[in-house]
Amino acid sequence: GESVGLHLPTLSVQEGDNSIINCAYSNSASDYFIWYKQESGKGPQFIIDIRSNMDKRQGQRVTVLLNKTVKHLSLQIAATQPGDSAVYFCAERMARGGATNKLIFGTGTLLAVQP
Amino acid sequence: KAGVTQTPRYLIKTRGQQVTLSCSPISGHRSVSWYQQTPGQGLQFLFEYFSETQRNKGNFPGRFSGRQFSNSRSEMNVSTLELGDSALYLCASSTGTAGNTIYFGEGSWLTVV
Repeated sequence: GESVGLHLPTLSVQEGDNSIINCAYSNSASDYFIWYKQESGKGPQFIIDIRSNMDKRQGQRVTVLLNKTVKHLSLQIAATQPGDSAVYFCAERMARGGATNKLIFGTGTLLAVQP
Repeated sequence: KAGVTQTPRYLIKTRGQQVTLSCSPISGHRSVSWYQQTPGQGLQFLFEYFSETQRNKGNFPGRFSGRQFSNSRSEMNVSTLELGDSALYLCASSTGTAGNTIYFGEGSWLTVV
C-alpha cells in the first residue's frame, strides 16, 4: 500500500524498550482524546481514549496521560515490539455536548522499532 | 462483528470527472464521518452524518458532498475532480452518542490523473 505523512517526526526505539509518543492539542474546550495507530496501507486503528475529566488511563501495554494545563497528551507503550511500528496519531474532539464526532488530528509520529 | 467497510479500495479517475465512495458502518452505528488524508495536509475532517442528517461539516469546497441512507450506509461524492483531490478517503463510524468510540475503515485510495 501507499504511505501517507512522508515527513513525520520519527521515534526510533529498540525492541523491548518503552516508547513515549507526545502530542500537543489545540483546543482547551476539547473533551475527548484518542490515540490511533496507522500501518502502511491501512486505516487508523483505535488504541486508547481518555476523557477530559481524567489524567491517566491504562490499557494493555499502553498508557495515555493527559495534562490539560499545558494541553499535552502522551502515549506510552511498554515493551515495544516490532509489530508496534506504525504512525501514531492523537486526535481531539471539541466539546459540543456530545453532538459531534468531528476529530482534529495531530500530524502523527512514526514509531520505528529496531529488532 | 464486521468493521467499517469502504468501497472501492482503489480507483483512478481523470481530472474533471466525478467519483462516489461508499461506506458501510459497523452494525448499530448511526454516525458516519468522512476524512481526507494526504501527505501534505494530514487527516482532515470532511463531514459527519447522523440519522441521515449532516451534523457537522469541515472546510472543504462544495464539490465535496455526502449523504446517509436510512440503513446508516453513507456515500461521499466529489465532482469536477482536481489533481489535488488525490488522497486516501477514510470513513469512520460510531454510535453517535456522547463518549462513543470512533472506528475507521481501511479507506479508499483515489488517484486523479
